[in-house]
Amino acid sequence: DSGVTQTPKHLITATGQRVTLRCSPRSGDLSVYWYQQSLDQGLQFLIQYYNGEERAKGNILERFSAQQFPDLHSELNLSSLELGDSALYFCASSVDQETQYFGPGTRLLVL
Amino acid sequence: AQTVTQSQPEMSVQEAETVTLSCTYDTSESDYYLFWYKQPPSRQMILVIRQEAYKQQNATENRFSVNFQKAAKSFSLKISDSQLGDAAMYFCAYRSAQGGSEKLVFGKGTKLTVNP
Repeated sequence: DSGVTQTPKHLITATGQRVTLRCSPRSGDLSVYWYQQSLDQGLQFLIQYYNGEERAKGNILERFSAQQFPDLHSELNLSSLELGDSALYFCASSVDQETQYFGPGTRLLVL
Repeated sequence: AQTVTQSQPEMSVQEAETVTLSCTYDTSESDYYLFWYKQPPSRQMILVIRQEAYKQQNATENRFSVNFQKAAKSFSLKISDSQLGDAAMYFCAYRSAQGGSEKLVFGKGTKLTVNP
């Protein structure tokens, strides 16, 4: 157990819908990272937050957004969902911005 | 942009034997970090080992060790005394040491099968 929690574990929804994925970092970790793992794209970095502020952005679609709250938990919002958004979404956290510890992931299936 | 290449999509090893997984990377930076993560069938991403580029000594964690060749931009993982529980996808990852870009760049992964 890495200490990073993600909810829900599984999510099934329809195209065009909007979902919210939630992540709670390890106690004391200020940085939260979101990654997407899909069969065709592999593991890709989406976005990073540090102590409530956006710190780095990767290959995140405009339909996707994220935020980190004062209690340091983070949410990833995915809207206007398409079939191709089906993937495993990971949250990771770090305290020293060096080693990232991953949560169990949220498996999203868009039908 | 940095890239990470794992040239072996699949590898297999007999239980109790030793196996080496390859990873090469491309970067123009001199300071960075390298990682190996394990992803078993549960899909959890588990940190196996980490190497700082400024350290010449190869990292070791129990049965896991790396061969870090900075000039060759190579970072291989050696698993000794392989166990059935080592069966998983293994991902090599790169992280810049420059501030403001702490994202991990992953390779495509190597699927390791351990045969009893």
